[in-house]
Amino acid sequence: EDQVTQSPEALRLQEGESSSLNCSYTVSGLRGLFWYRQDPGKGPEFLFTLYSAGEEKEKERLKATLTKKESFLHITAPKPEDSATYLCAVQAGWDSGNTPLVFGKGTRLSVIA
Amino acid sequence: DAGVTQSPTHLIKTRGQQVTLRCSPKSGHDTVSWYQQALGQGPQFIFQYYEEEERQRGNFPDRFSGHQFPNYSSELNVNALLLGDSALYLCASSLDENTEAFFGQGTRLTVV
Repeated sequence: EDQVTQSPEALRLQEGESSSLNCSYTVSGLRGLFWYRQDPGKGPEFLFTLYSAGEEKEKERLKATLTKKESFLHITAPKPEDSATYLCAVQAGWDSGNTPLVFGKGTRLSVIA
Repeated sequence: DAGVTQSPTHLIKTRGQQVTLRCSPKSGHDTVSWYQQALGQGPQFIFQYYEEEERQRGNFPDRFSGHQFPNYSSELNVNALLLGDSALYLCASSLDENTEAFFGQGTRLTVV
């Protein structure tokens, strides 16, 4: 069974204090690993897709990396507006078409000014 | 581009009632997936529609059903509502053969 575990569950940072969020996964053939940001009461907002070990992607203060067993979302010099829940999801299999995403429970990030 | 739109945004229903939620996919997308997100949890896959047919289904009872129309929009129906069905219901659209899924803002369903 495909599984995603995110840690920590919650993280509180001072503005400017860099840190990393972890996403460990087990999947039968990784098709893609996804990071989303979710604000309270809203739908997830797409951030990154990673396809193979060693791949990295960046967007503003966020950088996502991927190994064969886990992914990290690095947040550099965070600002209060980065406060949100960050969700990690995997898509498994090599069949044509879209297989469903399997999500972790998320990491709730709070950045204090 | 309006992105993925869902209606209504909030809904309150009584236990035992039936509900229909609606989703319009992002322009150009042909695949719609529905997810249920309980408070403090990650989204759970309900089912996926492509070419007006249910292509895949998660571990949800038959009380959950859906439909996709020729314009790719979709409906999620839930019959005989239970208190445990209270959740944020998310619609995601994607283009078949492309892995990236984009989500709507969700419908918050409260069953009392």
